[in-house]
Amino acid sequence: AQRVTQPEKLLSVFKGAPVELKCNYSYSGSPELFWYVQYSRQRLQLLLRHISRESIKGFTADLNKGETSFHLKKPFAQEEDSAMYYCALSASNTGKLIFGQGTTLQVKP
Amino acid sequence: DTGVSQDPRHKITKRGQNVTFRCDPISEHNRLYWYRQTLGQGPEFLTYFQNEAQLEKSRLLSDRFSAERPKGSFSTLEIQRTEQGDSAMYLCASSTWISGANVLTFGAGSRLTVL
Repeated sequence: AQRVTQPEKLLSVFKGAPVELKCNYSYSGSPELFWYVQYSRQRLQLLLRHISRESIKGFTADLNKGETSFHLKKPFAQEEDSAMYYCALSASNTGKLIFGQGTTLQVKP
Repeated sequence: DTGVSQDPRHKITKRGQNVTFRCDPISEHNRLYWYRQTLGQGPEFLTYFQNEAQLEKSRLLSDRFSAERPKGSFSTLEIQRTEQGDSAMYLCASSTWISGANVLTFGAGSRLTVL
């Protein structure tokens, strides 16, 4: 079964602290993984995707097929990073996304 | 605005009434998706279209739900005989291929409240 698990509903850190948002997946094929972010009162938007191996707003995520994980990391959190973060898995034929339950990141001053 | 547009943004209805939501995708995107999101949950897939063809429907999409994309452009999602359990945010997304990945762009959503 295709599944995405984000074990933490809330992650609260102080400004300048490192952040790691956890994501584990279950998928029998070759996964395409994404992180989406939703800032307060804004629509869901793409943050980054594993295929491009990019760093966006200081965030990176590495696909670990052995551990079936795609954790999102940032070395120094900023207050403007406070948002809801969703990890998502793409089912290859349809392109549909399977989302985790989301993690709220709260960055305190 | 060249993004995905959804209308209405908020709909309040009484149980048993029918409601319809509209989604206008980004014009050059040929895939369109509907999702449902309830409080504290991630978006759940409902259905998707490739041009005008509806290619997949989730089992979440009961027979009271119907979606159309008649000309391969805008799409509608209709819920008949609404129930309180239908209260949710209904999200539409369209997609295109970017560097080998199918990237979805979401609309702001239509929030349904069933009294």
